[in-house]
Amino acid sequence: DAGITQSPRHKVTETGTPVTLRCHQTENHRYMYWYRQDPGHGLRLIHYSYGVKDTDKGEVSDGYSVSRSKTEDFLLTLESATSSQTSVYFCAIRGNTGSLNTGELFFGEGSRLTVL
Amino acid sequence: QQQVKQSPQSLIVQKGGISIINCAYENTAFDYFPWYQQFPGKGPALLIAIRPDVSEKKEGRFTISFNKSAKQFSLHIMDSQPGDSATYFCAASMEYGNKLVFGAGTILRVKS
Repeated sequence: DAGITQSPRHKVTETGTPVTLRCHQTENHRYMYWYRQDPGHGLRLIHYSYGVKDTDKGEVSDGYSVSRSKTEDFLLTLESATSSQTSVYFCAIRGNTGSLNTGELFFGEGSRLTVL
Repeated sequence: QQQVKQSPQSLIVQKGGISIINCAYENTAFDYFPWYQQFPGKGPALLIAIRPDVSEKKEGRFTISFNKSAKQFSLHIMDSQPGDSATYFCAASMEYGNKLVFGAGTILRVKS
């Protein structure tokens, strides 16, 4: 258990409404990621963060924004949800040994979002 | 365009058999190739990983074979068990785990 908590775990919303997913970690990791998982596509990177207020886009960032105002929280926001954003969203942190990053990602248990 | 192509989409293997999942990549700058295992309702978890300076890595019943010239790598699960039934993802990155690019996944079912 890498101390990652995602909330909410399940959400149903309507097209056009804003949605925020939260990822909380307890182990002070520098790197945090948001992925979405869809059948036939595996996991695709939406955004990632390499420190407080330091974020960058992934391969499927359109329609999403992120914020990281403190080390432990990484928020993913859908400003105006669309049906194509129905997915399972995973937060991940990059492991480290002391000050050295490892290659291993630790994933949360996912947030299932349905946009009607 | 998928940077990492994974096959097959699904696989059924008898208990005790060998499960083989293949991946191919295009970007020669990739330098880290992990495999992740995911059980239903859970997030993926690292199973085994390899860097391109070796052609094979074995951990217990799990082996990665890596062919740099062919830009392919594969996961072999020896003596497959029903508990190995899960979805397996290959992945690659240029920055040792940062910005991992995943394959589409393989659903493995091991029949007892």
